[in-house]
Amino acid sequence: AQSVTQPDIHITVSEGASLELRCNYSYGATPYLFWYVQSPGQGLQLLLKYFSGDTLVQGIKGFEAEFKRSQSSFNLRKPSVHWSDAAEYFCAVGPTSGTYKYIFGTGTRLKVLA
Amino acid sequence: EAGVAQSPRYKIIEKRQSVAFWCNPISGHATLYWYQQILGQGPKLLIQFQNNGVVDDSQLPKDRFSAERLKGVDSTLKIQPAKLEDSAVYLCASSSIPGRGANYGYTFGSGTRLTVV
Repeated sequence: AQSVTQPDIHITVSEGASLELRCNYSYGATPYLFWYVQSPGQGLQLLLKYFSGDTLVQGIKGFEAEFKRSQSSFNLRKPSVHWSDAAEYFCAVGPTSGTYKYIFGTGTRLKVLA
Repeated sequence: EAGVAQSPRYKIIEKRQSVAFWCNPISGHATLYWYQQILGQGPKLLIQFQNNGVVDDSQLPKDRFSAERLKGVDSTLKIQPAKLEDSAVYLCASSSIPGRGANYGYTFGSGTRLTVV
């Protein structure tokens, strides 16, 4: 069955500390991979996406993610977290052809301590 | 470009009442999606339209949920009658014609938060 697992429901980091949010997926073939961020009361904003090529992708707001095929993972990282990064983060996968039907993980809520 | 517009932003209804949500996608986007996001969960696709035709409604509870996109532009999602478990944020998203590469992906609206009491 196709699924996306975000094992950390909540993560708390201090401002300025580094961050890594984990994402593992189960899919029939290598999918397209995405990270979205959702601030309270807002829709989802695309942070970055992986289609092919370089397995380290850069996104907005200083985020990056690394695709590891052997581990079926697509972890999100940021070297120095800002208080404004506090939000919920969703990993998603989608097929490489056909429709854009995404499967989302359950999300990781990030809290940033001043 | 203008984003995906949704209304209302919030709605509180009693169980067994009906409710409707409206979505206006990005101009020119052929594909429109409705997602349900229950608190503490990731969004779940309810229905996908390509122009005014339904592509996927396999997870839409058809006994109470309905959706339409009559002219291939804006869309309405209806719940009748509502149940307590329908309390969620309903997100609309749109995309250009499905393809590959840089254009792959879609834009979400801010959502409608529904509370059923």
